Parts: sequence; C-alpha cells; structure tokens
Amino acid sequence: QVQLQESGPGLVKPSETLSLTCAVSGYSISSGYYWGWIRQPPGKGLEWIGSIYHSGSTYYNPSLKSRVTISVDTSKNQFSLKLSSVTAADTAVYYCARGVAVGLFDYWGQGTLVTVSS
Amino acid sequence: EIVLTQSPGTLSLSPGERATLSCRASQSVSSSYLAWYQQKPGQAPRLLIYGASSRATGIPDRFSGSGSGTDFTLTISRLEPEDFAVYYCQQYGSSPPHTFGQGTKLEIK
Repeated sequence: QVQLQESGPGLVKPSETLSLTCAVSGYSISSGYYWGWIRQPPGKGLEWIGSIYHSGSTYYNPSLKSRVTISVDTSKNQFSLKLSSVTAADTAVYYCARGVAVGLFDYWGQGTLVTVSS
Repeated sequence: EIVLTQSPGTLSLSPGERATLSCRASQSVSSSYLAWYQQKPGQAPRLLIYGASSRATGIPDRFSGSGSGTDFTLTISRLEPEDFAVYYCQQYGSSPPHTFGQGTKLEIK
C-alpha cells in the first residue's frame, strides 16, 4: 500500500521560503510515476502547484513557477517542495500525491497546514 | 489556462436519490483528460474518475462519468450516506496548469 506523509514547519514568516518534504512508503520513487504537490487554502478549492517525474523532469503551475522548486531524493525515497517569497495568500493545506500522469493523482498524503504569518 | 466551472454550487438530495454534477470547461479538454475527486471534511481528495469515464481502483459502480469536449458529468446513481461530500473536477491535459473546478457540495436534504 502506497503511503505519503508531508512534513515541515507549520508557520512561515512573510517573504521567507516554505519548505516541505513528502516521505513515500510502499513504493520506490525511482521505479516510476510522477510526484506532485497540490494546495488548498482554508475553505477554498484545490490548486495544482507542480509535479516531478521520477527521472527529475519538473512541471510547474505557470502562476507559481518563478517561486517554486520541486526536487526528488531517491536515496531517501522522498520529494520536496520549496516556495519562496511567501505571503499570506500562500497559507493553505499542502498535499503531496502520486501522479499517474503529470496532473492526475491516485494516492495522497493527509495534508499539512502551513500558515504564513509574522 | 482552462477554466472549469462546476454546477450547481450546492446540491441537496436524500440517500437513495440520483445525483448529477456538471463540469464545463472554457475550452476543449484534450483527449478527455478529465478527472473527478471526492473530498470529505478534514481528508485528502480521493480519485473517483479519470479519462472522463473510467472508474479508479476500488470505486463503486454507482459512480459514473461521462462527457467530452467542454461538457462533463459525474453521476451517482443511488446516494449512500457516505457519498455526501465535496466533488471537484480537474483537467490534466497536456498543457499546465492542471486546473480544478471550484467544487460542488453534495449535502443531505
């Protein structure tokens, strides 16, 4: 059974960089699939942030592309998200997920709330 | 960017009834790369339908998807108590961003 677990600070100051990691169990990232990040502001809808292929190719939402970096660490079987220059608008629950296509996700983490506030 | 508009915003029905949820795209969704997700409070979304009409693994056959081009529908044939949730459509075609609709809340009448 594939499981994903997000981890990282729950509070980030404005203008700083949000950093999250997704640990994957039950499947080796290096074997295939895409690995993605999706966020959901409190009480609102879903927004795709970006995805990375197991080989390292990345795909980003154009609206966030200048601030986003997604990377993969196959030795630790995890992938990461960095979002720079955050503002209050970046406050959201952040989900990591496995992608059967760049933007189609079949397994999801439970999500982690990140609040941007001083 | 493809904008997805879901209707209605809220649907009030009783268990046993049939639910029909709509998703309209601002431009044609390539190769019917349209998915539906279910989300319950405090939980991550769950993939229900992909390719407009294919059920994901473990999804009951009371859930069905249809449509092509710009108009898509999710139908739940006979509502079970556990089906009351928020439903999102999403397009995952060749060009990002892979946008989601704003959601339809299915509530118990």
